[in-house]
Amino acid sequence: KAGVTQTPRYLIKTRGQQVTLSCSPISGHRSVSWYQQTPGQGLQFLFEYFSETQRNKGNFPGRFSGRQFSNSRSEMNVSTLELGDSALYLCASSPRSRNTEAFFGQGTRLTVV
Amino acid sequence: GENVEQHPSTLSVQEGDSAVIKCTYSDSASNYFPWYKQELGKRPQLIIDIRSNVGEKKDQRIAVTLNKTAKHFSLHITETQPEDSAVYFCAVWGNQAGTALIFGKGTTLSVSS
Repeated sequence: KAGVTQTPRYLIKTRGQQVTLSCSPISGHRSVSWYQQTPGQGLQFLFEYFSETQRNKGNFPGRFSGRQFSNSRSEMNVSTLELGDSALYLCASSPRSRNTEAFFGQGTRLTVV
Repeated sequence: GENVEQHPSTLSVQEGDSAVIKCTYSDSASNYFPWYKQELGKRPQLIIDIRSNVGEKKDQRIAVTLNKTAKHFSLHITETQPEDSAVYFCAVWGNQAGTALIFGKGTTLSVSS
């Protein structure tokens, strides 16, 4: 079974631009969560989707948004990029709706200059 | 929402010693508690998890204990080896609809030989 795939692996963007990151979950998994990882802040929860519905959202500004498609693939978008958005963005897929293991992708390293 | 505190943030031990990392959580209804290990440049991977109906779980050199009354759980690594050096994250999945997997800020474990 293929693991969680995130594309692209690396991105360099300029302040003010927008960016879209993609996540393909493990086949059969319907839950996809997104996390922002920065040094010292650990894994900060962005949002979680299950069957195309956003079920939970972390404490991030509205510039961060996401969606999930009928095949469970998910995208997250960040508009009006700021230098502080530079981070590793990880997505994780889970086989059930809650209380279950999350499998992580390799992440997308976003650098904002 | 759920709040997860993890201590210590860094831990240095000698090879063969034991290491203990502790996490506390706020939602008394939470019932799934995984631990993830993240090696440098790699994705987080599950190493052990425990559910609220169990007080302790062991897998070779790794064990997790859960105290639901005090709302804390701990990771115990015995006979540490240099390859145990990594960042360890605890996480909690709440028991309410709309909750997600929330992570602590991580513990950097260094095992010196």
